[in-house]
Amino acid sequence: GESVGLHLPTLSVQEGDNSIINCAYSNSASDYFIWYKQESGKGPQFIIDIRSNMDKRQGQRVTVLLNKTVKHLSLQIAATQPGDSAVYFCAAFITGGGNKLTFGTGTQLKVEL
Amino acid sequence: SAVISQKPSRDICQRGTSLTIQCQVDSQVTMMFWYRQQPGQSLTLIATANQGSEATYESGFVIDKFPISRPNLTFSTLTVSNMSPEDSSIYLCSVARGGLDYGYTFGSGTRLTVV
Repeated sequence: GESVGLHLPTLSVQEGDNSIINCAYSNSASDYFIWYKQESGKGPQFIIDIRSNMDKRQGQRVTVLLNKTVKHLSLQIAATQPGDSAVYFCAAFITGGGNKLTFGTGTQLKVEL
Repeated sequence: SAVISQKPSRDICQRGTSLTIQCQVDSQVTMMFWYRQQPGQSLTLIATANQGSEATYESGFVIDKFPISRPNLTFSTLTVSNMSPEDSSIYLCSVARGGLDYGYTFGSGTRLTVV
């Protein structure tokens, strides 16, 4: 199976700083990864995804890095804003593995003014 | 991406009763999933709702406890049966269009409290 874990349960950053949230996965067959943001009282919201044939992908203020060698991915948020405060989950997917997403434990990002 | 309407958004139920949660999608989707998120924790997949056939349950989840219906490609229900306080969680519907687009969209969830 697949297990996906995050290194830190809580991350506090100053407004304007960059945030880095890390995630490790166990199954080398995982070939697609998604980062989600979940605000209090809401469902997870898609942020950015990356396929295993890539090692970097950029979005608006966010970048995901994938290191397949060590089975690690990270989410970088540039110029963190108060609205970025939420729990962030990484999720892994195996093509042909039942189309199921396996979620990590989550990191609470707190942005301090 | 698909827009999902999930209801009720929250409920407080007596132990021993059942609650049915509805998930309506604004477009046809191939895959629908039900997740549980216990307080302060991550999401755990309960089952995949299959259109026209029985749902596929993950280890630790059984049909008698969490019966699922999926009568068409835009709608599904999850029932939490014979509830106990341990069932207090957020229940989330998720959909995927399938194919090369693996994007998974989530509903806003149903916050269930069993007393």
